[in-house]
Parts: sequence; C-alpha cells; structure tokens
Amino acid sequence: RKEVEQDPGPFNVPEGATVAFNCTYSNSASQSFFWYRQDCRKEPKLLMSVYSSGNEDGRFTAQLNRASQYISLLIRDSKLSDSATYLCVVNGEYGNKLVFGAGTILRVKS
Amino acid sequence: EPEVTQTPSHQVTQMGQEVILRCVPISNHLYFYWYRQILGQKVEFLVSFYNNEISEKSEIFDDQFSVERPDGSNFTLKIRSTKLEDSAMYFCASRKGLDYYEQYFGPGTRLTVT
Repeated sequence: RKEVEQDPGPFNVPEGATVAFNCTYSNSASQSFFWYRQDCRKEPKLLMSVYSSGNEDGRFTAQLNRASQYISLLIRDSKLSDSATYLCVVNGEYGNKLVFGAGTILRVKS
Repeated sequence: EPEVTQTPSHQVTQMGQEVILRCVPISNHLYFYWYRQILGQKVEFLVSFYNNEISEKSEIFDDQFSVERPDGSNFTLKIRSTKLEDSAMYFCASRKGLDYYEQYFGPGTRLTVT
C-alpha cells in the first residue's frame, strides 16, 4: 500500500465551482498533516496544515479523520489561479521527514 | 517574508562529475532537509539535518551523497559522482523547531546529468 494515496485527476472545473480532494495515508503513527500546492516545475508551497478539528482558511477547508486515516481539502468558488497540483503530505515516523502523495491536478477553466 | 533560497537554479553536469547544490535556509530555523523530485514523479525525502548532524536519511541517500553546513547560513548537498538517474529537481527545506512541523521549501535546483 502506498504511504500517501491521492486521486491523480485531473479535475477540470469551471470558475466558481466547489471541488474536493481526498487522500489516505498508511502510517497510523503520523502526527502532522498538510496540503501543499505545486505549480509546474516549482517548489511545493504550504497551503495549510490540517488539524483533527478541521480548519478553514478563506475558500479552503481541510478535514482529518484519524480513524479512517483520511484527509480532505475543499476549495470553494474556484479561481483560475487555483489551477495547480495539490499535494497531500504527512510526516513520517519521529515527526521528521515529510511523505508526499503523488498529487491531484486541478484545472480551473473560465 | 523570509524565504529559503537555492543556487544554482539549473546545473548541467556530465556523468561522473561532482556537484554541490547550495541552500540558505530561513535564518532562525533549526531543521534542514533535502528532497528530490524526478520529472513526473512525487517529491521524495533524501536527508534531514539537525544540530550539525544527519538525523535521518532515505535509501536514496547512499555514499555518493553528503550534506554539510559549512557556516551559519549555508546548507549544501554534494553528489560525488553523478549518474544519469540523479537528474531531478532538488529542493531544500527548513523547519523552525521541534514544536513546528511545517517545512518551507526553496525554489529548487534542476540538475541535469548528461
């Protein structure tokens, strides 16, 4: 089983749409969870950390279900500038290294 | 806003040559990392560095690789004898401290081995 698994997409959505990404992870000892975004040939940029209580940052909402080892990201009112690859990331053992999913591609079209 | 910086942005080298990739982490951060991303693949952990020593390394990080923090600001990755399969984007990242798990990435060095 892959350590972090994501639907690769692509998700093609119109501007203004709501889109949801899901992710599962295999290491039950993971303690920290993140969504990063990566534009083509650029570095991963931290979008948000994910907490057990769920958290929201503007149009973005992240949820964590530890029992199911499942993480989600919801983007409301999609903008053209949201087009990117969204990376689900968890920390490895000892809270040190980051383990990346392969990413989900989002394309927002006008 | 403080950023991680990396040089060079692109390095072309011949197989068997040594390369040094340079990073300047965010100034008050204590943990430093190298990751790589082969074109079309996911980001992979290479090595972490804390308190002037390697704290964890992956299977990829074999004897051909080494890291160093030669002064108070730079963090380097050396590949002694490059192979074609070392061609990738190499990202440096830093993390503030023990109670902070977020890692911030530099813009990367694209290494091309010919």
